[in-house]
Amino acid sequence: KNEVEQSPQNLTAQEGEFITINCSYSVGISALHWLQQHPGGGIVSLFMLSSGKKKHGRLIATINIQEKHSSLHITASHPRDSAVYICAVRSATSGSRLTFGEGTQLTVNP
Amino acid sequence: DVKVTQSSRYLVKRTGEKVFLECVQDMDHENMFWYRQDPGLGLRLIYFSYDVKMKEKGDIPEGYSVSREKKERFSLILESASTNQTSMYLCASQTSSTYEQYFGPGTRLTVT
Repeated sequence: KNEVEQSPQNLTAQEGEFITINCSYSVGISALHWLQQHPGGGIVSLFMLSSGKKKHGRLIATINIQEKHSSLHITASHPRDSAVYICAVRSATSGSRLTFGEGTQLTVNP
Repeated sequence: DVKVTQSSRYLVKRTGEKVFLECVQDMDHENMFWYRQDPGLGLRLIYFSYDVKMKEKGDIPEGYSVSREKKERFSLILESASTNQTSMYLCASQTSSTYEQYFGPGTRLTVT
């Protein structure tokens, strides 16, 4: 079992739909990161959180430390949101290293 | 804005060749990382460095080495390229204060 599990692996939505991507992890963590990777490879950091909830535009990330679970929500989805979304954790014992989930491929159709 | 650059976006090499992948960051970050990304496997850590001339093995260091002679530059070396090293290679830098990682654009390496 991977330390970081994401679901679903693939997600197709219609423009305007509310989207949720889930991440579960099995270790104690210092922080959890959500990353976005567009076709072509570049990865950008969306959120880094260790408790509660963060919001940036139409993106919302939540984390429940007790349940070892995080969700990334996209409201009013748009075709430009189509990308791979990656969850990564920095464990309490790994120093600066991150452990990554396999990613969720999101396709938003117009 | 943090900028992380990689020497090539696409690279084709032959089996047995020595391959150098270069990564440069402009934000004076202490930590730098090399990952490879393969379908179904996600990002896997090859090596990382937390200071000049310091390096640590990641999860899949076999067949690779690294060099960090200057703080801004972290090089990944494939001593003798093999076809199973065909992959996307991503470099990242990280400040040790926030631990946020900043990624380069990636190098898609094909070994034939």
